Amino acid sequence: KNEVEQSPQNLTAQEGEFITINCSYSVGISALHWLQQHPGGGIVSLFMLSSGKKKHGRLIATINIQEKHSSLHITASHPRDSAVYICAVGTSGSRLTFGEGTQLTVNP
Amino acid sequence: DAMVIQNPRYQVTQFGKPVTLSCSQTLNHNVMYWYQQKSSQAPKLLFHYYDKDFNNEADTPDNFQSRRPNTSFCFLDIRSPGLGDAAMYLCATSRGGQGHNSNQPQHFGDGTRLSIL
Repeated sequence: KNEVEQSPQNLTAQEGEFITINCSYSVGISALHWLQQHPGGGIVSLFMLSSGKKKHGRLIATINIQEKHSSLHITASHPRDSAVYICAVGTSGSRLTFGEGTQLTVNP
Repeated sequence: DAMVIQNPRYQVTQFGKPVTLSCSQTLNHNVMYWYQQKSSQAPKLLFHYYDKDFNNEADTPDNFQSRRPNTSFCFLDIRSPGLGDAAMYLCATSRGGQGHNSNQPQHFGDGTRLSIL
């Protein structure tokens, strides 16, 4: 069992839909990161959180430390949101442990 | 403006021919990371520098080496690339806190996609 599990692995939505991607982890963490990777490789850090909720534009990230669970929400999804979304947790030292990613496709 | 810059974006080398990938940063971050990412897989940490301290992951092959001549630059050297080393190589930086903590965001470059002929 991976230390970081994401669901779903693949998600297809219509433009405008509300999207939720889930992340569960089984280890103690110092912080949880949500990352976005577009085709072509570059990774962008969306959020880093250790408690509660953060919002940036149409993106919202929440974390429940007791349940070891985080969600990434996208409101009013758009085709440009199509990307791989990766959950990663900070454990020991400077390392991140990555989930396998969720491939999101938003159709116009 | 790009803050973590990787060159080149695409690199083709021959089986067994040494290759060097480069990464530079304008963030003045003290931690730099090299990741290997194969198709449809999560990034895998190869090693990282905390200032000048080199930290190798236990399962990183000896074929992979790294150099950090100064704060801004970090290089990944693959001494004898094999077909299995074809991948995307990602450089990232972060501001390292006390105890090398990982509750700092990592800033990634666009990656170098390495192909082996």
